[in-house]
Amino acid sequence: ETGVTQSPTHLIKTRGQQVTLRCSSQSGHNTVSWYQQALGQGPQFIFQYYREEENGRGNFPPRFSGLQFPNYSSELNVNALELDDSALYLCASSLAGDRNGYTFGSGTRLTVV
Amino acid sequence: KNQVEQSPQSLIILEGKNCTLQCNYTVSPFSNLRWYKQDTGRGPVSLTIMTFSENTKSNGRYTATLDADTKQSSLHITASQLSDSASYICVVGGSGGSYIPTFGRGTSLIVHP
Repeated sequence: ETGVTQSPTHLIKTRGQQVTLRCSSQSGHNTVSWYQQALGQGPQFIFQYYREEENGRGNFPPRFSGLQFPNYSSELNVNALELDDSALYLCASSLAGDRNGYTFGSGTRLTVV
Repeated sequence: KNQVEQSPQSLIILEGKNCTLQCNYTVSPFSNLRWYKQDTGRGPVSLTIMTFSENTKSNGRYTATLDADTKQSSLHITASQLSDSASYICVVGGSGGSYIPTFGRGTSLIVHP
C-alpha cells in the first residue's frame, strides 16, 4: 500500500506566475483535499474532491483551482501568485469522505518571491 | 461557526516528563476527532482517531481522551522523548456528504534533554 505522494517537494516562483502542484492519493482512496499551511499556523482547508467533483471549498479566491483525475490523483493550480501564497501545501486522501481519517503527504514548500 | 481551540500554544518540557495537550471544539454535528503529529516541514501523521462513542484511545506513549458532552479532548504524552518535539494538531470532523474538517492551530512541543 503506497501513501500519499506530492510533487515537487520545493518550488520557487515569481509573483504573478502560475503554479501547478501534484498529488497521488493513497491506493484505494477516492477523496482528496488540499490545505495551505503558513509557517507556525495550522493547515487551512482549500478544497476537497470526491470522485472528480469538488464537494467542499474553504475561504480561498477563485485563482486557487483544482482537478481530480479518474485515478483519484489531483492537481492544485494557483494563478497570479502573490507573496502571501508562500506556504507548505498539503494534500490528504481518504476513503469515502472522512470516516477513517486522512492520510497526508509530506507537502510542497512554495516560495513566492 | 465551527472552531477548534488548542492549548497551550507552545510547551517546553524535559525529556522523560509527561505532558497533556488540550483541544476544545464547537464543531456540530460531530463525527470524529483526530490528533496528528507534524514534524517541521513535513505532513501531519495520524496518532489517534475517536468517534463520539469512544472516550479514550492509545497509541504507544500517546493517549487521547474525548468528552463529547463538554466537547473537550486531551492528548497525554508519557515519558517524553526528544523525537516528540513537533506540532500536535487536533482535527474535528463533521458528518454529512460535503464534509470539511476543522483544524486547530496546533500546540508546539519542544522536548529538551
